[in-house]
Amino acid sequence: GEQVEQLPSILRVQERSSASINCTYENSASNYFPWYKQEPGENPKLIIDIRSNMERKQIQGLIVLLDKKAKRFSLHITDTQPADSAMYFCAASNTGANTGKLTFGHGTILRVHP
Amino acid sequence: EAAVTQSPRNKVTVTGGNVTLSCRQTNSHNYMYWYRQDTGHGLRLIHYSYGAGNLQIGDVPDGYKATRTTQEDFFLLLELASPSQTSLYFCASSDAGGKDTQYFGPGTRLLVL
Repeated sequence: GEQVEQLPSILRVQERSSASINCTYENSASNYFPWYKQEPGENPKLIIDIRSNMERKQIQGLIVLLDKKAKRFSLHITDTQPADSAMYFCAASNTGANTGKLTFGHGTILRVHP
Repeated sequence: EAAVTQSPRNKVTVTGGNVTLSCRQTNSHNYMYWYRQDTGHGLRLIHYSYGAGNLQIGDVPDGYKATRTTQEDFFLLLELASPSQTSLYFCASSDAGGKDTQYFGPGTRLLVL
């Protein structure tokens, strides 16, 4: 099966700086990479995703990069705000297998300090 | 946004107890999933289903059964609960199974004493 490693486990940044979370995967057949944000006491919600036919995707202050050769993908949050404080999960899936399975990283707790 | 509901939201049982967690989605999604969330482990897939009557084994299935009675309803069964099953359980659904967004329910917090 797939294994996804996510680092760091805890990330503390100052407001208005950027934050970066990195994930690696093992299965070269993985082709879909979503990112979920989970606020305290809430459920995970999709914030951005990237498919293997892209190397970069941006939605407002969120940027995801995908390096298929290195089997690495990353989330970059620019101009962080205290509201960005949350748990973030990366995940990987091989959509061609039609299993519907997402393999999640262990999560990163982001703390944005004023 | 897709609607996924779970019940109960909180449950306390004793070791050896019998627990059923319920999940319902009203978006006509084919795929449904049960995850557990534990500190240091992230979200781990227990069981999932492609449709009514279908069941697929996830990554951490030991001690759990599941049943998909209708397209809307997916149940997770713990027939002999153990303290190691104390966790936060999430149900999720998606339309195109791995090709589309998974929508999560609000979660069920289970404590096994």
